[in-house]
Amino acid sequence: SQTIHQWPATLVQPVGSPLSLECTVEGTSNPNLYWYRQAAGRGLQLLFYSVGIGQISSEVPQNLSASRPQDRQFILSSKKLLLSDSGFYLCAWSNAFNTEAFFGQGTRLTVV
Amino acid sequence: KQEVTQIPAALSVPEGENLVLNCSFTDSAIYNLQWFRQDPGKGLTSLLLIQSSQREQTSGRLNASLDKSSGRSTLYIAASQPGDSATYLCAAPIGTSGSRLTFGEGTQLTVNP
Repeated sequence: SQTIHQWPATLVQPVGSPLSLECTVEGTSNPNLYWYRQAAGRGLQLLFYSVGIGQISSEVPQNLSASRPQDRQFILSSKKLLLSDSGFYLCAWSNAFNTEAFFGQGTRLTVV
Repeated sequence: KQEVTQIPAALSVPEGENLVLNCSFTDSAIYNLQWFRQDPGKGLTSLLLIQSSQREQTSGRLNASLDKSSGRSTLYIAASQPGDSATYLCAAPIGTSGSRLTFGEGTQLTVNP
């Protein structure tokens, strides 16, 4: 069966520090991968998606970037965090036919 | 642009009650619609996926319907239990692809024993 892992679960970082969140998927090949953010009291917003290694599409302009160095690995990064980057970050995957989406357990990021 | 709205924002019911959560979407050319459950501080658990060719899907005490012409989906929970307390989210695809999703803001459900 397929599983998706995100780490770390929680993270507190100072303003201006770098960020690296990692997501890996097991049990499937060529997944479509997604990063979403859930701000406090708000819905989920799609940040990035990827249909293959090195292929990244950004949905909204922001201080963040994403990379996909391997088929089942998706990384969310920032060079310098802003207070507004605080939130709950969720990684998700779906198969190449774009049907059901499955989510990881999320990373709670607090920028102080 | 697909927009998703969920009503009510919060719902509190006594244990054993049957209940309906509502989701509406603006673009009826929908590929599918997915319902999720989110417990506090946790990720999303997929509950039901309804393809555009289907009118409903069932899983245990859960039944989700899809009416493309009216732009509405409902999640029916039968015989609610305290363990059903969570936030329920519906999501529809952005554009014509399947899993780039736009979400409603959710319905926070509390089932009181």
